[in-house]
Amino acid sequence: QQPVQSPQAVILREGEDAVINCSSSKALYSVHWYRQKHGEAPVFLMILLKGGEQKGHDKISASFNEKKQQSSLYLTASQLSYSGTYFCGTEMNFGNEKLTFGTGTRLTIIP
Amino acid sequence: SAVISQKPSRDICQRGTSLTIQCQVDSQVTMMFWYRQQPGQSLTLIATANQGSEATYESGFVIDKFPISRPNLTFSTLTVSNMSPEDSSIYLCSVRGWRGSDEKLFFGSGTQLSVL
Repeated sequence: QQPVQSPQAVILREGEDAVINCSSSKALYSVHWYRQKHGEAPVFLMILLKGGEQKGHDKISASFNEKKQQSSLYLTASQLSYSGTYFCGTEMNFGNEKLTFGTGTRLTIIP
Repeated sequence: SAVISQKPSRDICQRGTSLTIQCQVDSQVTMMFWYRQQPGQSLTLIATANQGSEATYESGFVIDKFPISRPNLTFSTLTVSNMSPEDSSIYLCSVRGWRGSDEKLFFGSGTQLSVL
């Protein structure tokens, strides 16, 4: 089952904050977050493992609530370079290795 | 980390023909993953290619349409057979690897396929 992301699309002015959610109908071992710019391959942002983890670097952070089977990506003080489509990728079991990608969230940052 | 060379980067093909996409990794990996990304959509896993055994296909994808080869631990090919316009997509190969303390997917640059 494909994880569902919300919102589908969001437009922000530079400096504003955004939250992108990823919800799964199945129990998860890990959640990955990727950003893809048009015409390019997805780029890894971070991975969160089972255990209620929170992570962050610079102005991008994420949380993982394994009980709710949800993860959220937080973008603060957004920059023009944050524009792109964000995908969560979920892994069901340790060692399973394959990722199932979410429906995607298109983020547009305007000056 | 892993560096993946994927080719061709793009191609325009006629209906009914086949295209083979190649991926070369700069290190040995057990599994390689092939994804399809239809226009404006998310990434969908086609199959997992294991060296020394047959590929494992996801629901909705069959070996006759997407045959995969995995002759060694650094190379794989995906063939899109008997193409139709519905096969127009970006095809991406990927492998799991480490960047620092994080395990992640590394992607090839993708193959943009257009079928006329």
